[in-house]
Amino acid sequence: KAGVTQTPRYLIKTRGQQVTLSCSPISGHRSVSWYQQTPGQGLQFLFEYFSETQRNKGNFPGRFSGRQFSNSRSEMNVSTLELGDSALYLCASSLMASGANVLTFGAGSRLTVL
Amino acid sequence: GIQVEQSPPDLILQEGANSTLRCNFSDSVNNLQWFHQNPWGQLINLFYIPSGTKQNGRLSATTVATERYSLLYISSSQTTDSGVYFCAVGWEYGNKLVFGAGTILRVKS
Repeated sequence: KAGVTQTPRYLIKTRGQQVTLSCSPISGHRSVSWYQQTPGQGLQFLFEYFSETQRNKGNFPGRFSGRQFSNSRSEMNVSTLELGDSALYLCASSLMASGANVLTFGAGSRLTVL
Repeated sequence: GIQVEQSPPDLILQEGANSTLRCNFSDSVNNLQWFHQNPWGQLINLFYIPSGTKQNGRLSATTVATERYSLLYISSSQTTDSGVYFCAVGWEYGNKLVFGAGTILRVKS
């Protein structure tokens, strides 16, 4: 059974550009969550999607957005990149909407903003 | 919002030693998970344990929900256990988790 797949694994952008990251969940999983990991702030929740609907959003500016497709694949977009957006972006999928729900994480997309 | 505190922040062990990692949380939760992040950044789920005790090989975990803490036990540590251990909790409907700052574990051979 394939795990959670994130692409690209590494990318370098310059300030002001935008970036799109992709996440393919485990087959059958309908919930996808995104997290940002930085040395200063640790792991922070960005947003969660279930059945193409955003259910939860963390405390991030509107430059951070996401969506989920009918096949449960998800994308997140960061516009007008800032140096502070340099981070490891992690996607997690889970089977259910809530409850006894184990999160399985992908390997992450490491973004460097110059 | 809910606060999650992990201790100790750093831990150095000799191979074969045992250790206990602690996670305190400030409010009632309906979801608590322990993760291990390897040196390549991959987060591996170790336990889903909002209450009670579970064991998986050399690892075990106990959560005392009424006292708002969880413990992760690592026995007979190996160098491959090195990495960062995170506790994460959830309390809302959905899968939003708040992570602690982690415990950095270094196991020396």
